[in-house]
Amino acid sequence: DIQMTQSPSSLSASVGDRVTITCRASQGFKNYLAWYQQKPGKVPKVLISAASTLQSGVPSRFSGSGSGTDFTLTISSLQPEDVATYYCQKYNSVPWTFGQGTKVEIK
Amino acid sequence: QVQLVESGGGVVQPGTSLRLSCAASGFTFSNHGIHWVRQAPGKGLEWVAVISYDGKTKYYADSVKGRFTISRDNSKNTMYLQMNSLRAEDTALYYCAKEWTNADDYFDSWGQGTLVTVSS
Repeated sequence: DIQMTQSPSSLSASVGDRVTITCRASQGFKNYLAWYQQKPGKVPKVLISAASTLQSGVPSRFSGSGSGTDFTLTISSLQPEDVATYYCQKYNSVPWTFGQGTKVEIK
Repeated sequence: QVQLVESGGGVVQPGTSLRLSCAASGFTFSNHGIHWVRQAPGKGLEWVAVISYDGKTKYYADSVKGRFTISRDNSKNTMYLQMNSLRAEDTALYYCAKEWTNADDYFDSWGQGTLVTVSS
């Protein structure tokens, strides 16, 4: 099975900072990679699919990139409402593995 | 709008069984694969199982294989998770999640979850 490893596991940044979260796969695969945001006490919400396709309604400060084994979620200008845990997920094949999550806080 | 409502959670003893349900509305249920995902208290997301749009294909995480069974009734717009031989490590909030398409896709909608607690 392909394992997904996120880094860092947590980060603290200031409002307006550029934030980058990395997701590394144990084996390369096509760009069937999604990013989810889970705010405290809430249900996960998909932000990005196919590694870089922004979902409708998601602010443009979020972007995704990468292919093969290395993928990145970038928040270009961190906002207070972005406080959440972010998960990458490999889909399109069994198992639909999630990364362990990256908790983003405001400094 | 799309709605997924889980039910059936509760507090049970180790070794016992529980059946969860996921009632869907607001979309054509029979056109989409549906998954179960769980989240232990304070932990990350763990994929549990998937059933294809027509119910013919099912896959499970190694952690639940042989103990959990996923099924669906498209006439009732409902999916189920039969959980047997429950263990303390199965304690979690169980979400059902809908695929964007019927082709092994990412999850575009989630339910609110139902809490399962396995404790003696």
